[in-house]
Amino acid sequence: DAGVIQSPRHEVTEMGQEVTLRCKPISGHDYLFWYRQTMMRGLELLIYFNNNVPIDDSGMPEDRFSAKMPNASFSTLKIQPSEPRDSAVYFCASSDPFSGTGFDNEQFFGPGTRLTVL
Amino acid sequence: DAKTTQPTSMDCAEGRAANLPCNHSTISGNEYVYWYRQIHSQGPQYIIHGLKNNETNEMASLIITEDRKSSTLILPHATLRDTAVYYCIALDISNFGNEKLTFGTGTRLTIIP
Repeated sequence: DAGVIQSPRHEVTEMGQEVTLRCKPISGHDYLFWYRQTMMRGLELLIYFNNNVPIDDSGMPEDRFSAKMPNASFSTLKIQPSEPRDSAVYFCASSDPFSGTGFDNEQFFGPGTRLTVL
Repeated sequence: DAKTTQPTSMDCAEGRAANLPCNHSTISGNEYVYWYRQIHSQGPQYIIHGLKNNETNEMASLIITEDRKSSTLILPHATLRDTAVYYCIALDISNFGNEKLTFGTGTRLTIIP
């Protein structure tokens, strides 16, 4: 398996523009997570899905952020309108907690999308 | 989930064992100790986890004290590629629906040639 795939790897946009980040989880993984990492706040969980259903979106900063998972192999994180403070690295991760003998929360992370909002 | 405390940074000589401590004095009986690391510019990577017994895999060993209030991650023969930020996380995985990882500031481990 190619692992978790994220696109684009780098995105530079201007304030006010819409930004869409994409993620393809590992095949067979039924959990998908979106994280954001900044120097000031570290690595934060934004939202996660189980079987394409959002379970916890308490980390989503505000209404400008939205995430969808239309099917098991694709998810998007959208920011509209974008602001300079949204500049960060956004990671997607997936897991299959019941793949072993019990619940195992090993999450597999993608390479991240580095977003710069000017 | 219990709060964990780690040193901000550590150095270790290449080829030596790197011992990374973590305090989790308020850990509950259902909380596992997870370790992840993040190499510069990459996504975090799972290393190991355990409940109360010592664990070992191809990457590292995890030693958990008998009272479970602290643990140590051991990289037996550190290489330059082990330079990374290491995160210790306490997580209750006994309840379905609690799959959230909360990353703290971690320990920045630098392997010295």
